[in-house]
Amino acid sequence: DVQLMQSGAEVKKPGESLRISCEGSGDTFTRFWIAWVRQVPGKGLEYMGIIYPADSETKYSPSFQGQVTISADRSLRTAFLHWSSLKASDTATYYCARAILGGTDAFDIWGQGTMISVFS
Amino acid sequence: QSALIHPASVSGSPGQSITISCTGTSNDIGGYNFVSWYQQHPAKAPKLIIYDVSRRPSGVSDRFSGSKSDNTASLTISGLQSEDEAVYYCSSYSSTGTLVFGEGTKLTVL
Repeated sequence: DVQLMQSGAEVKKPGESLRISCEGSGDTFTRFWIAWVRQVPGKGLEYMGIIYPADSETKYSPSFQGQVTISADRSLRTAFLHWSSLKASDTATYYCARAILGGTDAFDIWGQGTMISVFS
Repeated sequence: QSALIHPASVSGSPGQSITISCTGTSNDIGGYNFVSWYQQHPAKAPKLIIYDVSRRPSGVSDRFSGSKSDNTASLTISGLQSEDEAVYYCSSYSSTGTLVFGEGTKLTVL
């Protein structure tokens, strides 16, 4: 089965940097787009952006443009989500998700989520 | 970029059918046939149950169906079962070139 395996939970302080990862199996990183989705505790899903690892084309939601950086290393079959300076409001669970083949708007395979806690 | 509008909660008894609505604008739901629905159980990752308005991924029960009229998409669950109790989210492609999610509807099976 195709899976997306995310890195573990993190506890950070405001102002610190962080990169979380999402590793895939099979041909996920050569044929599919990979998205990142945020879920603040007790709240709904928020689309952050998406990357095509085959050529690193990236698109950001306007709400997250400039706030995070999405990247991927096709050789490692891994996508990344990076913050240069965390805020308390970044506390959330972050999911990576694979888009359906040929599309960018529906996600059929999800990682298990990475919980990020930011507090001083 | 506004979220799509869901009812906060719906409920139904086992065996019944329920419908969850999701209202957007002509810039998202009304303008594109790229509406998806996700089911999320507590502390679990979301699961895709409908995409492209009415298509079901392989392995998803045919008790789940989707439709769209103007700026409103709908998810219908027939033959309600206890395991259907979850939060349901819609999403739509948007004219901004990205995706927008709904706020989520909590389904309670009585």
